[in-house]
Amino acid sequence: DQQVKQNSPSLSVQEGRISILNCDYTNSMFDYFLWYKKYPAEGPTFLISISSIKDKNEDGRFTVFLNKSAKHLSLHIVPSQPGDSAVYFCAASGSRGNTPLVFGKGTRLSVIA
Amino acid sequence: KAGVTQTPRYLIKTRGQQVTLSCSPISGHRSVSWYQQTPGQGLQFLFEYFSETQRNKGNFPGRFSGRQFSNSRSEMNVSTLELGDSALYLCASSTTSGLNTGELFFGEGSRLTVL
Repeated sequence: DQQVKQNSPSLSVQEGRISILNCDYTNSMFDYFLWYKKYPAEGPTFLISISSIKDKNEDGRFTVFLNKSAKHLSLHIVPSQPGDSAVYFCAASGSRGNTPLVFGKGTRLSVIA
Repeated sequence: KAGVTQTPRYLIKTRGQQVTLSCSPISGHRSVSWYQQTPGQGLQFLFEYFSETQRNKGNFPGRFSGRQFSNSRSEMNVSTLELGDSALYLCASSTTSGLNTGELFFGEGSRLTVL
């Protein structure tokens, strides 16, 4: 049973346009969400996070939106740059317990110049 | 500040053998967790150690084990290797236990190939 789902294995976007990566979760106990970015031959690196008390968190070109009722979050990258080409992992955890991060399977983003 | 260091980076083993992977966390980080990444399954949690104690364990068979030393360095061991154990094994460190507090710092991983 996959608790965190990234249903799009890949996404291709033109440079300068918006990239939208989606993530759905099933566990209603999750209340903290993170996005990680992974380049080939490197470990994942933290990108941005959001707590369930918020519905939006912004950091430069990156914005994460959370819709708790739909159990859905999305990562927006505006404008997209070729250096953003990587695999993006959505992760979730429950802050009320000592629980590990649960990751989605990842979405490979390709930004075309 | 040095990042998370994993050794070896690449290794090839045959079925039935055992393997030990090593992880040195960021200085000052006391929590170390291990994840297995495969193309079909994404990142799957193996276990977490904090102050030499296993705090969390994922849904993996007993062939997968780990430990943490007093200097926070960690090792994971896989015995009786199977073809399906071929994967990238990622170690991550953080300042506190309870991975729910957020940011994990990952190493580059150890890529294991089982023939």
